[in-house]
Amino acid sequence: SAVISQKPSRDICQRGTSLTIQCQVDSQVTMMFWYRQQPGQSLTLIATANQGSEATYESGFVIDKFPISRPNLTFSTLTVSNMSPEDSSIYLCSVRDSQETQYFGPGTRLLVL
Amino acid sequence: AQSVTQLGSHVSVSEGALVLLRCNYSSSVPPYLFWYVQYPNQGLQLLLKYTTGATLVKGINGFEAEFKKSETSFHLTKPSAHMSDAAEYFCAVDCNQGGKLIFGQGTELSVKP
Repeated sequence: SAVISQKPSRDICQRGTSLTIQCQVDSQVTMMFWYRQQPGQSLTLIATANQGSEATYESGFVIDKFPISRPNLTFSTLTVSNMSPEDSSIYLCSVRDSQETQYFGPGTRLLVL
Repeated sequence: AQSVTQLGSHVSVSEGALVLLRCNYSSSVPPYLFWYVQYPNQGLQLLLKYTTGATLVKGINGFEAEFKKSETSFHLTKPSAHMSDAAEYFCAVDCNQGGKLIFGQGTELSVKP
């Protein structure tokens, strides 16, 4: 199974600022994803992070708000831009291995004041 | 549109009793199916998955689930609950087998001594 780490593990930010979340995997993976888990709710897919090309965003999520980088097969970043209290959530990255299994990182807990 | 429904946002069982967490999905094609567990302030851990083959799949910690195509269900069971099983459980489907997971609303399992 893949081992995934995220930085930071948690943060408290002021509205209007931006935060970049890093996701590191211990092996090369083709497919990498970013999810959001709002307080007390389930997970929603934000986007698929594509290596060497722009991320593919799901309905309701846009690149200007959630820019994503994927410079190589083991690393990705998600930026939450111009934050508001509604962005307070847990942000999780995940990877899919060759056995169609998806593993999740520990998450980044974000509180926007 | 694809969707996942978990019946019961909260389930409470006594220690040693049967655990049954229900999951139904809608998909136009045979999906990949997953159960994840989330302990407080932690990320998601894969319990088990179904992709192809045997419809009864066994996972970690004594859990198992059965894919029933005719009922579009993938219910999670464990014969005897343990206190350490108390957590949030999520059912997820990968409808196009491309890695994009759609999650159910989650079921919080409580285990009484």
